[in-house]
Amino acid sequence: GQNIDQPTEMTATEGAIVQINCTYQTSGFNGLFWYQQHAGEAPTFLSYNVLDGLEEKGRFSSFLSRSKGYSYLLLKELQMKDSASYLCAVTGSTLGRLYFGRGTQLTVWP
Amino acid sequence: GAVVSQHPSWVICKSGTSVKIECRSLDFQATTMFWYRQFPKQSLMLMATSNEGSKATYEQGVEKDKFLINHASLTLSTLTVTSAHPEDSSFYICSASLAGGPDTQYFGPGTRLTVL
Repeated sequence: GQNIDQPTEMTATEGAIVQINCTYQTSGFNGLFWYQQHAGEAPTFLSYNVLDGLEEKGRFSSFLSRSKGYSYLLLKELQMKDSASYLCAVTGSTLGRLYFGRGTQLTVWP
Repeated sequence: GAVVSQHPSWVICKSGTSVKIECRSLDFQATTMFWYRQFPKQSLMLMATSNEGSKATYEQGVEKDKFLINHASLTLSTLTVTSAHPEDSSFYICSASLAGGPDTQYFGPGTRLTVL
């Protein structure tokens, strides 16, 4: 089966850095995605990791350790608009089929 | 970039009626489309995988006779919620996938279904 675990809620202040962790156990692995979802909207793609290491894209970075079944999303220079749910998703043995975690609701305070 | 549309964006219906939701890939051909359901403050739960020209593959616990999926072309998949009940009220999101590649699953804007 598939099990993806991430914290339910996190809070941070504007301008700070926050790290959202995700651990997973899946049968087969073809990559890990991070999505951002604002309330009432569809998820938008943030990052994709298939190899170990850090992928940096502007204010957002994502890290993967396949041996540990662990990933994190790092958000720098937080802005109010970053308040959203962040979803960790893993592609298992079937390409394109995503297994989602419950999402981490991030609230950024001024 | 790849765009996926959904119609309608929201719908309110009476209990016992059927509702059809359309998912279209606007600028690419999607060999595979996925249908998700999301309850408030919950994550996305995959309902079924739809492949063009073949029967959909349903996840465990999802009734295929209640949630009818048709993927008649490479740009259109439809989800019909038959005999809808209040517990079917949810946010339904589709995604479309290109063949191969990593970040190739593109999400539609979602459809908010409310069953009275």
